[in-house]
Amino acid sequence: GAGVSQSPSNKVTEKGKDVELRCDPISGHTALYWYRQSLGQGLEFLIYFQGNSAPDKSGLPSDRFSAERTGGSVSTLTIQRTQQEDSAVYLCASSPLWGVGEQYFGPGTRLTVT
Amino acid sequence: RKEVEQDPGPFNVPEGATVAFNCTYSNSASQSFFWYRQDCRKEPKLLMSVYSSGNEDGRFTAQLNRASQYISLLIRDSKLSDSATYLCVVNEGSNRDDKIIFGKGTRLHILP
Repeated sequence: GAGVSQSPSNKVTEKGKDVELRCDPISGHTALYWYRQSLGQGLEFLIYFQGNSAPDKSGLPSDRFSAERTGGSVSTLTIQRTQQEDSAVYLCASSPLWGVGEQYFGPGTRLTVT
Repeated sequence: RKEVEQDPGPFNVPEGATVAFNCTYSNSASQSFFWYRQDCRKEPKLLMSVYSSGNEDGRFTAQLNRASQYISLLIRDSKLSDSATYLCVVNEGSNRDDKIIFGKGTRLHILP
């Protein structure tokens, strides 16, 4: 079946612009996670959703970052007034159940802020 | 102490050898454990879950030691295609919340 998809696959933007990243989870998966990974670094947890709600937003790096999920499916991660340090690969993952930890990752969006 | 720690490596291992690496975690209440692999410039992929009784999948064996708070991954008869970064994942969450923590990974290079 279809896996997790993310769009765009690559995004180059100018410093100060807003960007919106999209994640389509596997159909029926309840939990959805956002991470980012800088080159050669580990995964940095950003936020997760149980259905449409996000119990823990403490991983978001600043108030320029926000995320939402609608209909228990698609999620968008929005970064306002992008900075060069926001450049990274943004990975989305979904899981059939929260509290389990078996996650299926999308291919990521490579964000470059110039 | 970091929540989930792994030796970053790299482990340079000849093809056919056996290699093992550990991952330590700090929260004794952690609920579930996993190993993922990540190839260069690719997304992580679930390799195997780690059960209390240990589990084996072909050449791969994962074990959990709750008393010492570590999990291990053993790869037998290593193949060139096993070269990757292996990520340890711990879910510290309770029944109501996830708190999933990824280790920074151990790089493995299988040498021909």
